[in-house]
Amino acid sequence: SQQGEEDPQALSIQEGENATMNCSYKTSINNLQWYRQNSGRGLVHLILIRSNEREKHSGRLRVTLDTSKKSSSLLITASRAADTASYFCATAPSKGTSGSRLTFGEGTQLTVNP
Amino acid sequence: DTAVSQTPKYLVTQMGNDKSIKCEQNLGHDTMYWYKQDSKKFLKIMFSYNNKELIINETVPNRFSPKSPDKAHLNLHINSLELGDSAVYFCASRRAGGVQETQYFGPGTRLLVL
Repeated sequence: SQQGEEDPQALSIQEGENATMNCSYKTSINNLQWYRQNSGRGLVHLILIRSNEREKHSGRLRVTLDTSKKSSSLLITASRAADTASYFCATAPSKGTSGSRLTFGEGTQLTVNP
Repeated sequence: DTAVSQTPKYLVTQMGNDKSIKCEQNLGHDTMYWYKQDSKKFLKIMFSYNNKELIINETVPNRFSPKSPDKAHLNLHINSLELGDSAVYFCASRRAGGVQETQYFGPGTRLLVL
């Protein structure tokens, strides 16, 4: 089964700086999603990008997808201390009923220092 | 008005015991999931139900048995608990089909087996 890999595993930046996290995957996808997990909480969906899209924006978030390289990046601009969390990419496969299955990456722990 | 709720939030028990975790969603979704998140934050799918029918059953020990009495509830029963079962268990739900294919997660149940 495919497995997402995220890079870096941990990222520490100052408030106001931009944070970039990368995700790579192995098989064909229908879409790729990014989730945030605050410490001790469940995952919260941030943004979804479809396989036929290359870039998507939502507020301070910018996601890119390169299906030829099987990779995606999440950019958080003008970071805030409240952005401190773990960020996960998740891929939905392109075929079959397993389209409802998401495979999660290993996550990037982002720390934004005030 | 919680979307996906889980009980209990914390569960501390002895090896060999049997325990259950309950999940309820009030989003009207058709599909529900159980995930296990280990100490390294790796999130792995265990089971998925669609309209009370099991559609995903990963390689999970048969000590774990999901039960879906109706499409708003998905419970997880664990027999003969082992030390390695210690983890955070997340329930999630999703609306089948449509443009949005995101999953909504519960707050998690932190299981510690002593």
